[in-house]
Formats: sequence, structure tokens, C-alpha cells
Amino acid sequence: QKEVEQDPGPLSVPEGAIVSLNCTYSNSAFQYFMWYRQYSRKGPELLMYTYSSGNKEDGRFTAQVDKSSKYISLFIRDSQPSDSATYLCAMKGNQGGKLIFGQGTELSVKP
Amino acid sequence: DAGVTQSPTHLIKTRGQQVTLRCSPISGHKSVSWYQQVLGQGPQFIFQYYEKEERGRGNFPDRFSARQFPNYSSELNVNALLLGDSALYLCASSLAWAGDQPQHFGDGTRLSIL
Repeated sequence: QKEVEQDPGPLSVPEGAIVSLNCTYSNSAFQYFMWYRQYSRKGPELLMYTYSSGNKEDGRFTAQVDKSSKYISLFIRDSQPSDSATYLCAMKGNQGGKLIFGQGTELSVKP
Repeated sequence: DAGVTQSPTHLIKTRGQQVTLRCSPISGHKSVSWYQQVLGQGPQFIFQYYEKEERGRGNFPDRFSARQFPNYSSELNVNALLLGDSALYLCASSLAWAGDQPQHFGDGTRLSIL
């Protein structure tokens, strides 16, 4: 079993839809949770970075962490074609900087 | 401000050869980490360096090695290349090596092994 599970999709939605992306994890030592966006032939770009359980909002993006269920989510409101990319969840513990990534979810937003 | 820069952007090698990839972190960042991303998968951790010392190593063979220089730039070396080493190699930098420190990635070096 992988430490971090993420549905690879692909996920296709119409422009303006609300998108929900999710990851589950098994290691209770994970303390920091991240969402990265990766466009084709580019490196991952940090979108959201959270530490504790609860919600964090930044513009059209909301990150949600539920440590009791070992479940994290990213919501994208009013999705745009420019949001079409692969979204990677990542997490790490307190010791060191090793990030554990999910497989990534490929999102396509259709005009 | 410049982000994480990596060179070269693309590289083609043959089996058995050796390769060196380079990374310059964001100004002020002292920690550099290397990841391997195979097509369709998330990045896999290879190494972390902080203040020129190795602070973490992933599950990769000894053919993979790295170092960090006094200016905090880093090199990743891979010897005796195999077909399975074909991947996008990503470098990430952060202010420190642990704790509440987000990592920022470069655009990677795409390595193809023939």
C-alpha cells in the first residue's frame, strides 16, 4: 500500500465548475500538507501549504485537512481553462524535508 | 527574484554513461532536495542537502550521488545509466532542512536514456 493515495483521473469539467481533488494517507507522522500544480513540461508549482487540520483559503482555492481521517482535499471554485494541469498532493513529517507525493490528478477544464 | 534554476533542460545519454545535473536554489535558501519523476507518477525523493551535508536519502541505488557547494548550489550525479533512469529530475529548495519550510521546485532536467 502506498503512503499517499491519489486518484489519477483524468478529470474533465466544464468551465465555471467547482473541482474537488482528494488524497488519503496512512502515515500519522505527516504534519505538513501541500498541493502543487504542474503544467506539462514544467516543474511543480506550490499552490497551498497547510500545517493543521481545518481549512485554508487563497482566492479560488481552498485546502482542507482532516488528520483524524487522514484525508486532504483541494477545492477550486469557478474553474478556468487555465486551471487545466496535473495536481499533486504532497506531505511530510517534522523530521527532514522528504516530501511524499501522490500520483497526481490530471484535470481538464473545458471552455 | 529568480526561482530555482536547473541545467541542462534536456539531455540524451546512452546506457552505461554518466550524467551530471545542476541546480541553483532560490537566493537565501540553504537546503536543496532532488526528486525523480517518471511519466505519470508523482516525484520520488532522492536526496536532501543542507549546509553542504546530506540530510536525507531516498531508496535509490549507489549509482546516484549528489553534493552541495558553499554557494548552496547542488549537483546530482548518476553513473552507469540504465534505461529506467529516463525521467524528469527535479530540484527543490527551501530555507531550512526541516519543519515548517515549503519547498519550491525548478522546471527540471528531462533525461532520456537510449
